[in-house]
Amino acid sequence: DSGVTQTPKHLITATGQRVTLRCSPRSGDLSVYWYQQSLDQGLQFLIQYYNGEERAKGNILERFSAQQFPDLHSELNLSSLELGDSALYFCASSVGLAGGWAETQYFGPGTRLLVL
Amino acid sequence: AQSVSQHNHHVILSEAASLELGCNYSYGGTVNLFWYVQYPGQHLQLLLKYFSGDPLVKGIKGFEAEFIKSKFSFNLRKPSVQWSDTAEYFCAVIPGNNAGNMLTFGGGTRLMVKP
Repeated sequence: DSGVTQTPKHLITATGQRVTLRCSPRSGDLSVYWYQQSLDQGLQFLIQYYNGEERAKGNILERFSAQQFPDLHSELNLSSLELGDSALYFCASSVGLAGGWAETQYFGPGTRLLVL
Repeated sequence: AQSVSQHNHHVILSEAASLELGCNYSYGGTVNLFWYVQYPGQHLQLLLKYFSGDPLVKGIKGFEAEFIKSKFSFNLRKPSVQWSDTAEYFCAVIPGNNAGNMLTFGGGTRLMVKP
């Protein structure tokens, strides 16, 4: 158990719908990351938040958005869902920015999204 | 943009065989390197990491990896695999000047260990 929690574990929805994935980082971690794992794209970085502010963006679609709340939990919002959005969405956390040195990221169990 | 290549997509070994999984990256500057493992149905777990210092890094469960800067490689090794090592293994990179700390992953290598 990494200490990172994600809910829900599984989500089945229809095309065109909107869903919210939730992540609670390890106690004390200020940075939260979202990754998408799909069969065709592999593991891809989506977005990072640090202490409530967006820190870095990767291959995140405009239909997707995220935020980090004052209690440091984060939500990933996926809207106008398409079949191709079916994937495993991982959240990870790390202690926080450290002068540019890389930090170990600890991953949650993921949310498996199936869009029908 | 940097990329990470794992040339072995699927590896099948018998128990007690030695393992070496290849990982090459394209970034030319300082890098921070990781190997993660994903057991069936589970989340990613950190096996080992290299930030600086001794290029031979030892991780959990008997795994080790060697950073060879001249070859842009960070291969994962284990002298004797067990059935419980069946999993998917991911190499990942964070460039040293990456203020965003985002991981770039390789495509993964699925290891199956036959009992």
